[in-house]
Amino acid sequence: EAQVTQNPRYLITVTGKKLTVTCSQNMNHEYMSWYRQDPGLGLRQIYYSMNVEVTDKGDVPEGYKVSRKEKRNFPLILESPSPNQTSLYFCASSLGGVLETQYFGPGTRLLVL
Amino acid sequence: DQQVKQNSPSLSVQEGRISILNCDYTNSMFDYFLWYKKYPAEGPTFLISISSIKDKNEDGRFTVFLNKSAKHLSLHIVPSQPGDSAVYFCAASEASGTYKYIFGTGTRLKVLA
Repeated sequence: EAQVTQNPRYLITVTGKKLTVTCSQNMNHEYMSWYRQDPGLGLRQIYYSMNVEVTDKGDVPEGYKVSRKEKRNFPLILESPSPNQTSLYFCASSLGGVLETQYFGPGTRLLVL
Repeated sequence: DQQVKQNSPSLSVQEGRISILNCDYTNSMFDYFLWYKKYPAEGPTFLISISSIKDKNEDGRFTVFLNKSAKHLSLHIVPSQPGDSAVYFCAASEASGTYKYIFGTGTRLKVLA
């Protein structure tokens, strides 16, 4: 089944404790991206990657890191999480092309205490 | 500054009637527009898209209209069905190749049976 998977789905952590949210897709997609969803703010793009080793900042990259060492994986790293990074995070992938359908993962709900 | 705005946080429509969801943008460089639907506890799913060379795109019950001079797009759903009840996000991107998307804050549609 074609899908985007994220792990973990739920995470509670404390300020400053490094964490990684994994994202993997099995559709051989070139493009992958991370978003966060917050009440009243909609979806905001954090980082995106057009191919292996090619990443770029989205609208709200501060406090996040990403890497794209393999085509299928695009982990999101929070080196020193803070409470304002409490949010619902989505990973997405697509074939590439700005109007290509992005397939979203199920989301990771993060609470930073 | 919100570059993509969905000014109606919620909308209720009777089953069988037309649902019209609106989206305004401020960046005249946006050339590509997409609509996504999101159910609770799921990732967004792609609905329909349009590029600025067109003013209308149809896919079954869904039609997107683009008015570039007014910097306005709308999504029409005809006829509306209870299964259409979800949060709808519009998104915009500047040009093919940038892959940076700006999403609106979303409109919660409720279709009443």
